[in-house]
Amino acid sequence: QKEVEQDPGPLSVPEGAIVSLNCTYSNSAFQYFMWYRQYSRKGPELLMYTYSSGNKEDGRFTAQVDKSSKYISLFIRDSQPSDSATYLCAMNYGGSQGNLIFGKGTKLSVKP
Amino acid sequence: EAGVVQSPRYKIIEKKQPVAFWCNPISGHNTLYWYLQNLGQGPELLIRYENEEAVDDSQLPKDRFSAERLKGVDSTLKIQPAELGDSAVYLCASSLPGLADNEQFFGPGTRLTVL
Repeated sequence: QKEVEQDPGPLSVPEGAIVSLNCTYSNSAFQYFMWYRQYSRKGPELLMYTYSSGNKEDGRFTAQVDKSSKYISLFIRDSQPSDSATYLCAMNYGGSQGNLIFGKGTKLSVKP
Repeated sequence: EAGVVQSPRYKIIEKKQPVAFWCNPISGHNTLYWYLQNLGQGPELLIRYENEEAVDDSQLPKDRFSAERLKGVDSTLKIQPAELGDSAVYLCASSLPGLADNEQFFGPGTRLTVL
């Protein structure tokens, strides 16, 4: 079993839909949880970052962490064609350990 | 502010040939990472530098891969000899000193094809 599991999709939704992306993980020592967005032929860029459990909202994006279930989610409201990309969850152990453990990524397509 | 710069963007070589990738991190970022991203997968860490010191190279296949970061700025990742299975995207990232909550900024990657 990989440390971080993520459904690779692909996921196709109409414009304006609410999108839910999820990851599960096995190591309870993870402390920091991130979502990266990666457009085709580009490097990943940080979208959201959460420390420990809880919710964080930034515009149309909401990140949720449930450490008791080892489950994290990213919600996108009012999805736009420009949101079409691969979304990667990532996490690390905290402290001076900066190494990120990534999921496989979910490829999202938002149709106009 | 310029982002992480990588070159070349694309490289096609025949198996058993050597290849090298170059990375220039964001100015002031002491921590530099090299990641490998296979098709349909997330990035996997190869090596992490704090300044010029490789602090984590446990995932670097040292029989054929090598890396250096002279003067703690630019870095080069080399493969010699390349194998078919090395075809992938090689990503460089940088951050302020490698604390867990420091954002990593990624370059566009070098897409390697080994024939």
